[in-house]
Amino acid sequence: DIQMTQSPSSVSASVGDRVTITCRASQGISSWLGWYQQKPGKAPKLLIYAASSLQSGVPSRFSGSGSGTDFTLTISSLQPEDLATYYCQQANSFPFTFGPGTKVDIK
Amino acid sequence: EVQLVESGGGLVQPGRSLRLSCTASGFTFGDYAMSWVRQAPGKGLEWVGFIRSKAYGGTTEYAASVKGRFTISRDDSKSFAYLQMNSLKTEDTAVYYCTKYWGMGWFDPWGQGTLVTVSS
Repeated sequence: DIQMTQSPSSVSASVGDRVTITCRASQGISSWLGWYQQKPGKAPKLLIYAASSLQSGVPSRFSGSGSGTDFTLTISSLQPEDLATYYCQQANSFPFTFGPGTKVDIK
Repeated sequence: EVQLVESGGGLVQPGRSLRLSCTASGFTFGDYAMSWVRQAPGKGLEWVGFIRSKAYGGTTEYAASVKGRFTISRDDSKSFAYLQMNSLKTEDTAVYYCTKYWGMGWFDPWGQGTLVTVSS
């Protein structure tokens, strides 16, 4: 199985800050990487697919990059509504696997 | 608007069975694969399995942790997906989400989830 890791496990930042979250796959997954946002008490929501494609309706302050084993999710200007846990997910092979999550807090 | 609504969760004893349902609306259900993802209390996301559309054989894939115990099925005439869970274990306790699967790997959108608690 492909293992996914994320760093940091949590981050606290101020409104307007740039936030970067890293995801690493245990083996190459090309661009088969998605990012999800889960707000407290809510279902996850797809933000980014295929490593860098922005899902329809997602604000442009979210962006993704990377390929192979190393990927990043960037929030260019953190907003109060971005308080959430962010998960990466590989879709290269079964079983699909998620990273452990990165909790983003607002200072 | 695409909507997914899960039902059927609840408290069940270890070793017993439970069937979850997912009703879909807002899209041509039969054209898409459907998937289930679960989240144990306070934990991360775990993919459970999925079922392809009939155009791709309607076949299924499962996580190793549930293979042989869980079965995913679909009724395209009613726009329903199901998760039959047998021989439940305490570690199956989780919120179970139904998701639309598209684009060769992505889960979007997700239902609101239904809580399954396995306890004696």
